[in-house]
Amino acid sequence: AQTVTQSQPEMSVQEAETVTLSCTYDTSESDYYLFWYKQPPSRQMILVIRQEAYKQQNATENRFSVNFQKAAKSFSLKISDSQLGDAAMYFCAYGMEYGNKLVFGAGTILRVKS
Amino acid sequence: ETGVTQSPTHLIKTRGQQVTLRCSSQSGHNTVSWYQQALGQGPQFIFQYYREEENGRGNFPPRFSGLQFPNYSSELNVNALELDDSALYLCASSLDGRAEAFFGQGTRLTVV
Repeated sequence: AQTVTQSQPEMSVQEAETVTLSCTYDTSESDYYLFWYKQPPSRQMILVIRQEAYKQQNATENRFSVNFQKAAKSFSLKISDSQLGDAAMYFCAYGMEYGNKLVFGAGTILRVKS
Repeated sequence: ETGVTQSPTHLIKTRGQQVTLRCSSQSGHNTVSWYQQALGQGPQFIFQYYREEENGRGNFPPRFSGLQFPNYSSELNVNALELDDSALYLCASSLDGRAEAFFGQGTRLTVV
């Protein structure tokens, strides 16, 4: 069974600085997807970034980028120029195309200090 | 493009009662998945519906059941509510069961 582990229950970052959230996963599959979702106090899960396992190039979306290490089964999220609006719970998730479910980690609370 | 919408946003039920939660999928999406998120935890997969058929189920008892309609909206039904069923219930939609899913704002269920 696939598992996702987020070892940082809570992280803090100063506004305008950079922070990295960690995620490791376990799978025996070779083709899969990895995601980072943001869940603010409003509760809605917002897709931040996705990475296809077959792509070696790390995904980037504006201030958000990932460091995908397939052999190490590691998938970290880097947030540059942190903003107050980035404060939220961040979840790492694993899924397979047509695989019928996402497997989530326990989440990391990100606090942004002004 | 219409996003995923869920109703109601909050509700309180008594132990032993039954509840129905509703979800409208994003425009063009034919797959709906339901997740249970206990306080301070990550979402746990309950089941998925694809073209009105159940397409996978997580480790939840049979008193959790679902339905998908021809317009791809979906319901989650929970019978014989228990205190531990108190959680945020999230609905996510996708196209053809693809991994990338988009979530609604959730329904907060409190069982007393």
